[in-house]
Amino acid sequence: DIVVTQTPLSLSVTPGQPASISCKSSQSLLHSDGKTYLYWYLQKPGQSPQLLIYEASNRFSGVPDRFSGSGSGTDFTLKISRVEAEDVGIYYCMQSLQLRTFGGGTKVEIK
Amino acid sequence: QVTLRESGPALVKPTQTLTLTCTFSGFSLSANEMCVSWIRQPPGKALEWLALIDWHDDRYYNTSLKTRLTISRATSKSQVVLTMTNMDPLDTAMYFCARSIRSPNSNIWYDFDYWGQGTLVTVSS
Repeated sequence: DIVVTQTPLSLSVTPGQPASISCKSSQSLLHSDGKTYLYWYLQKPGQSPQLLIYEASNRFSGVPDRFSGSGSGTDFTLKISRVEAEDVGIYYCMQSLQLRTFGGGTKVEIK
Repeated sequence: QVTLRESGPALVKPTQTLTLTCTFSGFSLSANEMCVSWIRQPPGKALEWLALIDWHDDRYYNTSLKTRLTISRATSKSQVVLTMTNMDPLDTAMYFCARSIRSPNSNIWYDFDYWGQGTLVTVSS
């Protein structure tokens, strides 16, 4: 099974400052179709998760452009260019190359 | 408008079988490139994918839990059912269902683009 590891476990960010979350997979998430099956979700307090980024680097509909995903192979990053109060919650990456596996989550809070 | 709603017992006893239903609207599981998954989240812990059923009625399971899980669909009722046998207190969690869809125009997989609100299941004697 593919293992997905996120770092850090938590992040405390001053509003307006950038934030970065790392996600590493135990094997390459590049499919033979040329797509990379890595997704990012945000679970705000008390809510269901919501899709932020699909196929490693594409923002889902309605997601602010301060969110960006990058990476390839086994190493991926979610960046928030300027953190806002509404961005607090737990961020998860997930691979869907083989079945589905979520990372352990990164909790983002505001300083 | 796409919606999903989970339903099932709030409390089950150890060793019992859990049956959860995901009732959805706004899409058809018979349509090409459509899937529904079950995902759970123990209190204060991370998300864990459990099972997926697709438009071909193919079924996929979490490797560690596959002997205990069965996912099925009742297409005419727009429902997906998950059963989990031999429940244990460690299975106490919020259980979510979520949709995945491949856009026919762009060939993009939108995995878990819609989620239900979840249903909390507690396992206790």
